[in-house]
Amino acid sequence: EVQLVQSGAEVKKTGESLKISCKVSGYSFSTFWIAWVRQMPVKGLEWMGIIYPGDSDTRYSPSFQGQVTISADKSTNTAYLQWSSLKASDTAIYYCARLQDDGDYVGYWGQGTLVTVSS
Amino acid sequence: QLVLTQSPSASASLGASVKLTCTLSSQYSTYAIAWHQQQPEKGPRYLMRVNSDGSHKKGDGIPDRFSGSSSGAERYLTISGLQSEDEADYYCQTWGTGIRVVFGGGTTLTVL
Repeated sequence: EVQLVQSGAEVKKTGESLKISCKVSGYSFSTFWIAWVRQMPVKGLEWMGIIYPGDSDTRYSPSFQGQVTISADKSTNTAYLQWSSLKASDTAIYYCARLQDDGDYVGYWGQGTLVTVSS
Repeated sequence: QLVLTQSPSASASLGASVKLTCTLSSQYSTYAIAWHQQQPEKGPRYLMRVNSDGSHKKGDGIPDRFSGSSSGAERYLTISGLQSEDEADYYCQTWGTGIRVVFGGGTTLTVL
């Protein structure tokens, strides 16, 4: 069974750094793209970027380029999303998702990580 | 530019059928899309992929009352025999070179 299990909710202050995780199981981590998706309060889904864990090839949405860093660790089957300096506008739920092998569409979702940033 | 357009809201009665629409920008009318359901206070769930010829591939455990179809640049999600738990936000998603993942704005479905 494919599973993507994300780290727990975070409460941070503006300017702090943060790294959230997405641990996968039930398939070969190295051979499927992983996406990160943001959902701000009462808003829709926004694609942030994707990573291919096999070679760490990473692509960012123009809206998020330079704002976050996506990485992956093949030894632990875990993908990461990190910020070096959080802003209040980063308050959102963040989902990791596995893309399918017959197209870049999401076939499996993580449960989401709520990140709350306050001053 | 690769854009997906969805109506913000839809409604239908319990037990009835509803057809949700996702429209691709015209120059991308042959692209496939995927439908995702997000029930209140839950994460999204993959429902199905819908191709330009109307064929579709469902995710694990998706009931038969969910089906997909296509016409031109429009991709549809039809839900038959509406149940209360179908009240949710429905997002379509597509993909392309360059911008790899694109989401529509979502449709909020109310079951009356």
